[in-house]
Amino acid sequence: QKEVEQNSGPLSVPEGAIASLNCTYSDRVSQSFFWYRQYSGKSPELIMSIYSNGDKEDGRFTAQLNKASQYVSLLIRDSQPSDSATYLCAVLYNFNKFYFGSGTKLNVKP
Amino acid sequence: DVKVTQSSRYLVKRTGEKVFLECVQDMDHENMFWYRQDPGLGLRLIYFSYDVKMKEKGDIPEGYSVSREKKERFSLILESASTNQTSMYLCATISTGFEQYFGPGTRLTVT
Repeated sequence: QKEVEQNSGPLSVPEGAIASLNCTYSDRVSQSFFWYRQYSGKSPELIMSIYSNGDKEDGRFTAQLNKASQYVSLLIRDSQPSDSATYLCAVLYNFNKFYFGSGTKLNVKP
Repeated sequence: DVKVTQSSRYLVKRTGEKVFLECVQDMDHENMFWYRQDPGLGLRLIYFSYDVKMKEKGDIPEGYSVSREKKERFSLILESASTNQTSMYLCATISTGFEQYFGPGTRLTVT
């Protein structure tokens, strides 16, 4: 069984601050990493993917991957109340199986 | 845009009933997945299919079966529903870039 661990939160940040979400995974063979956002009662929607060590930026979002430490993170700059949601980390194995963390709930306070 | 649809948003069934959950995608993707999502447990893979009539068990296949007769359609079957199968069921497909796209989900309650 592959393990993907996330702090369940809630993580509370004020509007305009940087939110930092973290994820660790157990299997060094992991190939690709994804962050999903899930609003209450809705299905997950893809925010970002990252495949190689380092940072990847997309608008207000930055994904960071460190394969040696088996660690992936998501930074959200200039956090908005609309960013309040649960963020899921997902890890891809064997090009066809995903393992998900249980998610971190983010609250952005106006 | 990828579109993944599921046959019902909410479903209430009785213990012992046979339940069919259907998923349709419009992007000609090879791989399709069924997950269930429970509080504190995250998404867990039930079954996936990488081609028509091909299927593989995920991590929690017990009590479930699947059918894929056409590329765009992937069905999840609960042979005899039980209360511990009350959950949110999510269908997903995957692009060539390994990005998963989810349907809106079916919230199933078994009483």
